[in-house]
Amino acid sequence: TQLLEQSPQFLSIQEGENLTVYCNSSSVFSSLQWYRQEPGEGPVLLVTVVTGGEVKKLKRLTFQFGDARKDSSLHITAAQPGDTGLYLCAVSNSGYALNFGKGTSLLVTP
Amino acid sequence: ETGVTQTPRHLVMGMTNKKSLKCEQHLGHNAMYWYKQSAKKPLELMFVYNFKEQTENNSVPSRFSPECPNSSHLFLHLHTLQPEDSALYLCASSQGSSGEPGADTQYFGPGTRLTVL
Repeated sequence: TQLLEQSPQFLSIQEGENLTVYCNSSSVFSSLQWYRQEPGEGPVLLVTVVTGGEVKKLKRLTFQFGDARKDSSLHITAAQPGDTGLYLCAVSNSGYALNFGKGTSLLVTP
Repeated sequence: ETGVTQTPRHLVMGMTNKKSLKCEQHLGHNAMYWYKQSAKKPLELMFVYNFKEQTENNSVPSRFSPECPNSSHLFLHLHTLQPEDSALYLCASSQGSSGEPGADTQYFGPGTRLTVL
C-alpha cells in the first residue's frame, strides 16, 4: 500500500492554463513537503507545510495542507513551460529520511 | 546548483562489473542519503548515514554497499548488479540529528543514471 497517493499521474496542458495536483493519504502527518524534479536533475524543495489548513504561496504556486493534515494540494496559476517537471510530495518517517509519492508529471506546452 | 554533486552522471556496466558512485556535499550537513528512482515507482530510500554512522538500511540487497568515510562524502559500491537495478541513483544531504527527526530539508544531487546490461 502506497503511503502517499498523487494524482493525476500525468498532466499535459497549454501555457496559460491553471491546474491543481493532489497528494492524499489515510495517515496524519506533522509536515509535508513538495518537491519539483526537472529532467536530468534531482528533486528541489518547493515548500514545507506544517499547520492544518495552512496555505503557502510561491509566486504562481499555491500550496495547501488539509485541515486534518492527511492531504495537500498544489495549484499553479497561468502555467508556463518552465513549470514542466515531476512534482513530488513527501513526508518524513520516524527517522530523517523521506517517503515520497510517485509524483505528477506535468508538461506545459507553449 | 544545490551544493550536492554526484559522479559519474551516467554509468553503463555489465552484470559482472564492480563500480562505485560518489556523492559529495558542500553544505556542512551531517546526514547523507542514497535513494533509488525507477520508472513508475516512487523514490525509494536505500541508506541513511547520520554523523558517518549508518542509521537505516532499507532492506537493500548486499550487491549495493555504502561507504561514508566522512560527513561530506558518500559512496555506493556496486557489484554483480542485475538489469532491474537500472535506475537513477540520487544522493541527498540534510542537517541531521541536531534537529527534530523528519524536520530536515533534504538537498539532492543530480543523480547517476545507471544502466546494467
